[in-house]
Amino acid sequence: EADIYQTPRYLVIGTGKKITLECSQTMGHDKMYWYQQDPGMELHLIHYSYGVNSTEKGDLSSESTVSRIRTEHFPLTLESARPSHTSQYLCASSFGGQPQHFGDGTRLSIL
Amino acid sequence: GDSVTQMEGPVTLSEEAFLTINCTYTATGYPSLFWYVQYPGEGLQLLLKATKADDKGSNKGFEATYRKETTSFHLEKGSVQVSDSAVYFCALTPRGGSYIPTFGRGTSLIVHP
Repeated sequence: EADIYQTPRYLVIGTGKKITLECSQTMGHDKMYWYQQDPGMELHLIHYSYGVNSTEKGDLSSESTVSRIRTEHFPLTLESARPSHTSQYLCASSFGGQPQHFGDGTRLSIL
Repeated sequence: GDSVTQMEGPVTLSEEAFLTINCTYTATGYPSLFWYVQYPGEGLQLLLKATKADDKGSNKGFEATYRKETTSFHLEKGSVQVSDSAVYFCALTPRGGSYIPTFGRGTSLIVHP
C-alpha cells in the first residue's frame, strides 16, 4: 500500500502554464526529495528537504521551486512550463538514514 | 564525493536463469547499501539492504552481500521469473551527515519465458 502519494499521475499541458506537482506522505518522515527521471531511467536529485521550512537544491539544476510548510507535504512548482520540462518526476521520503519510500511518479508532458 | 557504478543493461535472460547485476561504490566511511526495484509505471521500492560489512540482504529470492574489501554489493538471484522484469537500482546512504542517497544509473532486466 502507498504511504506516499503523488498527484496527478499524468499531466499534458501547454507551454507557459504554471504547474504544481503534489506530494504527500503519511509516515511522519523528516526528509523529502524530488527526483527527475530521464528516459534512460537514471535518477537526478533536483530538490530535497530536511524538515519544515528547509529546502535545498539537488545535483541537477532545475527551474522548479519547492516548499515545505508542513511535514507531510512537499509540492513542486514550475512557474512557466517549457517542453524541456517534459519528464517523469518522483517524490520520496525517508527518516534519518533509513531507506526511501517513493511515490508512483508524475509523468509530465509539455506541448 | 560518493558514487555508485552498476552494470549497464539491458540484461536479457531466459526464465529460471541465474542473475547477477554488479554494483560497486565509492564512499567515505561505511555507508548503508540498498537495492531498489522499479516496475513499469511505478516508483522505486526497496528490495533489500545491508548496513555493515559482510551483512547479507535478502528478499524474494534476491541476495546481496556487503563486501567492504571490494566495495561491492552485487545483486544475485538463482532462478529469475518473467515477473522479475524491471529496472534495478543500487544505492548508498552515508552514515551520518546529510543522509542524502546516491543512486547508480539503473539496470534494466528483461526475462523471457
